[in-house]
Amino acid sequence: AQSVTQPDIHITVSEGASLELRCNYSYGATPYLFWYVQSPGQGLQLLLKYFSGDTLVQGIKGFEAEFKRSQSSFNLRKPSVHWSDAAEYFCAVGDQAGTALIFGKGTTLSVSS
Amino acid sequence: DVKVTQSSRYLVKRTGEKVFLECVQDMDHENMFWYRQDPGLGLRLIYFSYDVKMKEKGDIPEGYSVSREKKERFSLILESASTNQTSMYLCASSPIFPPYEQYFGPGTRLTVT
Repeated sequence: AQSVTQPDIHITVSEGASLELRCNYSYGATPYLFWYVQSPGQGLQLLLKYFSGDTLVQGIKGFEAEFKRSQSSFNLRKPSVHWSDAAEYFCAVGDQAGTALIFGKGTTLSVSS
Repeated sequence: DVKVTQSSRYLVKRTGEKVFLECVQDMDHENMFWYRQDPGLGLRLIYFSYDVKMKEKGDIPEGYSVSREKKERFSLILESASTNQTSMYLCASSPIFPPYEQYFGPGTRLTVT
């Protein structure tokens, strides 16, 4: 069965510092991988997606993620965090059939000044 | 841009009431989904639909039903609301081609008293 693990429940980063949010997945074949962001009281917004090709994918708001098959990971990065990046971040994996995504439990990002 | 709208942002209902949550998407997506989101539990799939009048149970369908009479509209029904159904409800839609990324509505925060 597919599963997604986000090891960090809560991370605090200083404004301007770099960010890496971890995501590990379990899936037999090549997965479809996603990162979403959720601001308080809002729905989820798609940040980026991977399904084939270049393992480093660029997303919106200056985020990028790297797919590492050998480590079953899809970590999210940003070189310089802004206060407006404070939110909850979800990693998700999808299967080849295109049915529902499996989400991690999320990582809450706080940004300190 | 994909737009998914949900009929209410906040809803307060009494125990035993029948509750309808409506979701509409404007991108002609075949797939639509209902999730509930609870602190510490992440997103859990209630039902999804891959075509008009077609539905599949997700991980937690008990106490819920769904209706999809038109392609763009997917309704979640709580036949007899209970306090343990107090939650954030998120609707999503996706295309039927890879990587099947999902687009979310803003959510409905339902409180059952």
